[in-house]
Amino acid sequence: QPVLTQPPSSSASPGESARLTCTLPSDIDVHYSNIYWYQQKPGSPPRYLLYYFSDSEKGLGSGVPSRFSGSKDDSANTGILLISGLQSEDEAEYYCMIWPSNGSGVFGGGTKLTVL
Amino acid sequence: QLQLQESGPGLVKPSETLSLTCTVSGGSINNNNHYWGWIRQPPGKGLQWIGNIGYTGKTYYNPSLKSRVSMSVDTSKKKFSLRLSSVTATDTAVYFCARLRWYVSAADAFDVWGQGTMVTVS
Repeated sequence: QPVLTQPPSSSASPGESARLTCTLPSDIDVHYSNIYWYQQKPGSPPRYLLYYFSDSEKGLGSGVPSRFSGSKDDSANTGILLISGLQSEDEAEYYCMIWPSNGSGVFGGGTKLTVL
Repeated sequence: QLQLQESGPGLVKPSETLSLTCTVSGGSINNNNHYWGWIRQPPGKGLQWIGNIGYTGKTYYNPSLKSRVSMSVDTSKKKFSLRLSSVTATDTAVYFCARLRWYVSAADAFDVWGQGTMVTVS
């Protein structure tokens, strides 16, 4: 199974932006991958946030505010979750996910986001 | 509004088989636009995808668990199930069931999740 690398932790202040990364292994090209992002708060199941393939092919989950968005850095083979206008309620664990082969999926290790 | 609810024993002995069921309510289990998945989370750790099943019974399993996993679906009861054999302490986790969007014959997002059920192997 491929490994998606996420920094264990990140922090930012309310009102600022947070940029969370998800690096794919070298044998999977982020340019051709849908990147899915989930948010999980303690004691709750994950919540689907969004997916990102390109600026013309992306989607937000139901009820997810537009402060959440996705992007990619092809040069770093990385998917990015950007959260603008951080709020205290955004403090959570964030997981990326891909489907490297049809029907077989893998999650990243998660990033704990602290809103200072 | 679609809801999912996991059920099953909270304690399983080592070497035995873990069996869980997910009941779907508020929506249909029979459609080509969705699969049904299992994901687990060991205490204090991250998420691990276990596998997916369609209403026809077609399955996809995590290669690392494939030799021990089986899934089934009962469309008449709107339930799907997970069986994991030969369990050890490392299988201790919260097990989630979820609805998987299936878009253009490919897996998409887990858009609806159950609350999860803790299973301890001891």
